[in-house]
Amino acid sequence: EAGVAQSPRYKIIEKRQSVAFWCNPISGHATLYWYQQILGQGPKLLIQFQNNGVVDDSQLPKDRFSAERLKGVDSTLKIQPAKLEDSAVYLCASSLDRGPGYTFGSGTRLTVV
Amino acid sequence: TQLLEQSPQFLSIQEGENLTVYCNSSSVFSSLQWYRQEPGEGPVLLVTVVTGGEVKKLKRLTFQFGDARKDSSLHITAAQPGDTGLYLCAGEEGGGNKLTFGTGTQLKVEL
Repeated sequence: EAGVAQSPRYKIIEKRQSVAFWCNPISGHATLYWYQQILGQGPKLLIQFQNNGVVDDSQLPKDRFSAERLKGVDSTLKIQPAKLEDSAVYLCASSLDRGPGYTFGSGTRLTVV
Repeated sequence: TQLLEQSPQFLSIQEGENLTVYCNSSSVFSSLQWYRQEPGEGPVLLVTVVTGGEVKKLKRLTFQFGDARKDSSLHITAAQPGDTGLYLCAGEEGGGNKLTFGTGTQLKVEL
């Protein structure tokens, strides 16, 4: 079974620029998550989709972050404009509705300078 | 938002030693999962525990879910350098399929 695909793997941008990340979940996984992980810490949930609807975006900084999941499959996460504190790894994960756990992608490491 | 505290935050040991990582919360979870994450990769699921008092073994790793389903522990016997990584516990809130991750324990096993 193919895993969760994310791109790009690395991105370096200047503050105030915009950036977008892409995620392709495991086929058949209805639930998709975006997490932000600061180095050495546990991931923090940004947004959870069920098919193409948002289930939870309570911790998404909506003034600068946006996410969409068109047709209930692929998803994109955008940051505009980026701040220095957005430097982190952005992880995408997917799961079945009642699965044994999440499957994570390898993440996108963002550095804002 | 439920808070999951892990201890210790950092652990550096020699090959062959035993260790225990703790995951504690004041909230009750419907299930608790443990993940291991290596540099440059996403977390990988190790185990899911769902019943209070449950103990699961995965080779040299033993996972226990507290009776009240508020805490968990991970015990590694005879640690090896390949066990090095960031260990994360994650609690699932009832019915929502949403995980809250712990603060993480960075383990380094040296030869």
